[in-house]
Amino acid sequence: DTEVTQTPKHLVMGMTNKKSLKCEQHMGHRAMYWYKQKAKKPPELMFVYSYEKLSINESVPSRFSPECPNSSLLNLHLHALQPEDSALYLCASSLLPRDHEQYFGPGTRLTVT
Amino acid sequence: GQNIDQPTEMTATEGAIVQINCTYQTSGFNGLFWYQQHAGEAPTFLSYNVLDGLEEKGRFSSFLSRSKGYSYLLLKELQMKDSASYLCAVRDTITGFQKLVFGTGTRLLVSP
Repeated sequence: DTEVTQTPKHLVMGMTNKKSLKCEQHMGHRAMYWYKQKAKKPPELMFVYSYEKLSINESVPSRFSPECPNSSLLNLHLHALQPEDSALYLCASSLLPRDHEQYFGPGTRLTVT
Repeated sequence: GQNIDQPTEMTATEGAIVQINCTYQTSGFNGLFWYQQHAGEAPTFLSYNVLDGLEEKGRFSSFLSRSKGYSYLLLKELQMKDSASYLCAVRDTITGFQKLVFGTGTRLLVSP
């Protein structure tokens, strides 16, 4: 299994909603990442989890709350988002935190209305 | 600071060879990656360089010169399916953890 899966594929939410994005990998990778990608822009790193611990938070607003319940799962909890948060949210994983290439999931296309 | 530059767009013909350049200035460097991204899809890993020189992988090759802060991705025998964005990304592990900083991407259009 060389796949990173993400659910849902698409999400539309209002500014007062609470929703969660999910990411899963069964490759035994010990580092997982959240990226945000706006249209025609490169992915921008949001969070890095290393051995289920939050290692990097790239000054992301608190309305985004990551969670790593176990080594295979990564969640991104969303609350009180703004329309400018609409983007493609990509999850990635790598075998180890310091080395090896990152494998990306297909992303969740989020629209905030 | 971090600065990674790539041409915005390139066009090429099926069967031809194309070279996509990437120049970088970053605070830390522990390797350079090339990813392919089709519209609306996730980036797919293509190649990785950490030492100077050429890495070849089938129709794709990537070159790195660390002293010049320069890399290129060479695509041979272009196919229509190679039409995609190509992202250059520098890995910074200065914090001890892997952080990928992406360039703006080069949109490649392959025509018949």
